[in-house]
Amino acid sequence: GAVVSQHPSRVICKSGTSVKIECRSLDFQATTMFWYRQFPKKSLMLMATSNEGSKATYEQGVEKDKFLINHASLTLSTLTVTSAHPEDSSFYICSASTGLSTDTQYFGPGTRLTVL
Amino acid sequence: QKEVEQNSGPLSVPEGAIASLNCTYSDRGSQSFFWYRQYSGKSPELIMSIYSNGDKEDGRFTAQLNKASQYVSLLIRDSQPSDSATYLCAVTGSSARQLTFGSGTQLTVLP
Repeated sequence: GAVVSQHPSRVICKSGTSVKIECRSLDFQATTMFWYRQFPKKSLMLMATSNEGSKATYEQGVEKDKFLINHASLTLSTLTVTSAHPEDSSFYICSASTGLSTDTQYFGPGTRLTVL
Repeated sequence: QKEVEQNSGPLSVPEGAIASLNCTYSDRGSQSFFWYRQYSGKSPELIMSIYSNGDKEDGRFTAQLNKASQYVSLLIRDSQPSDSATYLCAVTGSSARQLTFGSGTQLTVLP
C-alpha cells in the first residue's frame, strides 16, 4: 500500500517553456501533498505544501508564480514550472500524506527536469 | 530555525557488520521521526518511523529515539552491499506536519 506515482519521470525542455509534473496517490487519499526539489548530492528542500482544495503554502524563497501547484483532488497534485530556465534543472519529488496523526509521507519516484 | 543534523559520512562498513547512523534535532517539540533510504538517482524510500522513546525493530533495522537527548539513530544489522545508499533522517515539528530532513549519511557496505 501507500504508492505514489509521478509523471513524467524525466523531461527535457527548452528555456522559456512550461513543464507540468503530476503526482498521484494510487491506493490512498492524500489530504496533503508536498513538493520537494533536490540538487545533486544535496538533501531534499521543501518547496510547498498543498492541501486538497486549498491554495498551496510555499516555503520562503520559492516563487509561487513560477512554481504553480494545484491539488484538485485527494489523489492528484500538479506542479507546473513556468518559463523554465536552466537553473530550474533539478530532481523534483512529490510526497503524499494521509493526514493522520502518524504524519508519514510516502514519496513518488521523482521527476528529473533538464532545461536546455 | 529547526535543524536536523546527521554525520555526513561517508560511512563504510564490511558486509555482515552493524552500521550505525546518528541524527540530532533542535526542535524539542518534534513528534515524529523517520529514516528514509535513498539510492543514487532515486527518491527516498521509508525505512522506519518512530514516535516514542526507546527502540523499534523491523527486520535488520532498529530505530532508537531519545527525546531528552534529542537524538535518533538507525542500526542496520548484518549489513549487505544492497544497503549501500544515502540514509536521510527526517523529523516533523511540534506544530506542522512538514518534514525537516538532515543532509543524509552516505553508507557503503563493502563486500
